[in-house]
Amino acid sequence: AQKITQTQPGMFVQEKEAVTLDCTYDTSDPSYGLFWYKQPSSGEMIFLIYQGSYDQQNATEGRYSLNFQKARKSANLVISASQLGDSAMYFCAMREGDFKTIFGAGTRLFVKA
Amino acid sequence: KAGVTQTPRYLIKTRGQQVTLSCSPISGHRSVSWYQQTPGQGLQFLFEYFSETQRNKGNFPGRFSGRQFSNSRSEMNVSTLELGDSALYLCASSPFWEGSYEQYFGPGTRLTVT
Repeated sequence: AQKITQTQPGMFVQEKEAVTLDCTYDTSDPSYGLFWYKQPSSGEMIFLIYQGSYDQQNATEGRYSLNFQKARKSANLVISASQLGDSAMYFCAMREGDFKTIFGAGTRLFVKA
Repeated sequence: KAGVTQTPRYLIKTRGQQVTLSCSPISGHRSVSWYQQTPGQGLQFLFEYFSETQRNKGNFPGRFSGRQFSNSRSEMNVSTLELGDSALYLCASSPFWEGSYEQYFGPGTRLTVT
């Protein structure tokens, strides 16, 4: 069965520091995509970063990078140089070839000034 | 390029009524997915459409249905509304060329059932 696990319900980080949000997944499909989304209090889901299962390099998008460890089935999000505007809910998600996307429960990140 | 648009943004309905939500994907995107987000259940997949065909459906009762038009716009319908249907309904579009799984979300429709 598909499964996404985010074990950190809430995280605190000091402004300008880096933070890692954990995500593990479970799938038997060799082809899949992993995503991270940010959801501020407004409710809109903002796409942050994407990693394909066959991608050799870890994905990076500006201050976001995805630490993809395929053998361990983990896809942690690293945010460098945290900003106050990074305070939000963060979701890890996985999409397989059956076109269905499964989301984790989310991690609420609080950035302290 | 314009993003995913959803209408209406907010909706208040009464138990027993039905509701139709609309989603216009990013231009050129042919895949549209729908999700329900509630505080208790989180984000749950409803269904996915590609070229007017439903390719997968989540674990929801038959009261939840959808369709996609030839211009890739999609609608979802909920009949006989229940209090538990109160949620944020999110639509996402994907280009879905070979090997791409990226999805981009709209702002959502917040449905309140009283």
